[in-house]
Parts: sequence; structure tokens; C-alpha cells
Amino acid sequence: EDQVTQSPEALRLQEGESSSLNCSYTVSGLRGLFWYRQDPGKGPEFLFTLYSAGEEKEKERLKATLTKKESFLHITAPKPEDSATYLCAVQGDLAGSYQLTFGKGTKLSVIP
Amino acid sequence: NAGVTQTPKFQVLKTGQSMTLQCAQDMNHEYMSWYRQDPGMGLRLIHYSVGAGITDQGEVPNGYNVSRSTTEDFPLRLLSAAPSQTSVYFCASSYSGAGSGANVLTFGAGSRLTVL
Repeated sequence: EDQVTQSPEALRLQEGESSSLNCSYTVSGLRGLFWYRQDPGKGPEFLFTLYSAGEEKEKERLKATLTKKESFLHITAPKPEDSATYLCAVQGDLAGSYQLTFGKGTKLSVIP
Repeated sequence: NAGVTQTPKFQVLKTGQSMTLQCAQDMNHEYMSWYRQDPGMGLRLIHYSVGAGITDQGEVPNGYNVSRSTTEDFPLRLLSAAPSQTSVYFCASSYSGAGSGANVLTFGAGSRLTVL
């Protein structure tokens, strides 16, 4: 059974204070690891897909990295508009497997 | 493109009532799915479909029914609502989820359901 654990549950940062969110996972074989952003009252919005250990992807102030056991979402010099809940999910590589297993998310608050 | 459209956004039901949550996408996506999101829990898959006429169960299918008669639409039916089905429901779609590709989902805005 695939499992995803995100930490911390909540994180408060001052504007400009860089930090990282963690996503630990177990999966039989990884087809993809996903990061989503979710704003209150809205659906999750896709950020990144990572496929193999060592891979990195960047988008504005966000950079996602991947090892064989965990992924990090690094936030550099965050702004208040980066406040949201960040969700991590994995998809295994079993034949015909479509299902994503999601973590509970990290709620990020960036204080001006 | 409107993306994934869900209706209604809010609904209050009494225990035992039935209703249908609507989901439509205009991206010609093969794969569609329904998730529920509850406080303190991750998104959980209810049902999914890989194309018109094909549906399958996810992690938490009990109490829900789906059908896929067209590529665009994937309604979720609650047959006899229970308080445990109080939740926020998300419809999500993608080009395809299996084969060699990863299942990159596009989500709708959600439907908040309260069962009294």
C-alpha cells in the first residue's frame, strides 16, 4: 500500500524567510510524485511532477526535489501570496494503476 | 476552455435523500475521477473512469454510484445520503493515467456537501 506523509502540518514564515516542506513516501515503484497547491475554497492546482531520484524542477520561488524516499518543496524568499496548503501525492507503477495517494498537506502561512 | 466544472458548489441534504453531483470537462480528457476531502485526511479516491462506458472503484466507493456515458461528463450519485458523507467533493480529469505517463490531474473547484 502506497503511503505519503507530509511535514510539518503547518508552517508560518515571515516574508522573505526561506524554508522547505517535506514529503516522505513509500511506493512499490514510482511512476510519478506530484506537488499541488490548494487555496481555501478551491481545488488543488498542479505545480510539479517528479519521476526519478535526483530530479529537480523550479517555478518562480518554488523548487521541488526528489530522492528515493522523500521529496522537498523549497520556498525561497516567500511572499504572502505563497500562503496556501501544499499537497504531495504519489502514483505507483503497477500495470493499469491510475490512483494517486495524497498526503494530508502542509498549510503554509507567509506573514508580511 | 472552462476546464473542469462542478455543480452545485454547495448542497445540504437530509439523511436518506439522494442527489447527483455533476462534473463536466471540455479538455477531451480520457480519465475522470471523484475524490473526497475531509479535515485531517488526504484526498481519497471514490470512483474513476478511463473512458466512456468504463468505470471502476477507488479507495472509498461505498454509498456512491457513477456512470460515464460521454467523454465530457462524469456524475457522482449519492443513493441514500448519510452524515458520514458530509465532505468536500472534487472532480478531476487527465489525458490518461496509466501506460507510461503519469496521471497529472486537473481539478474542479469542489462541491461542499452537508448531510443532516
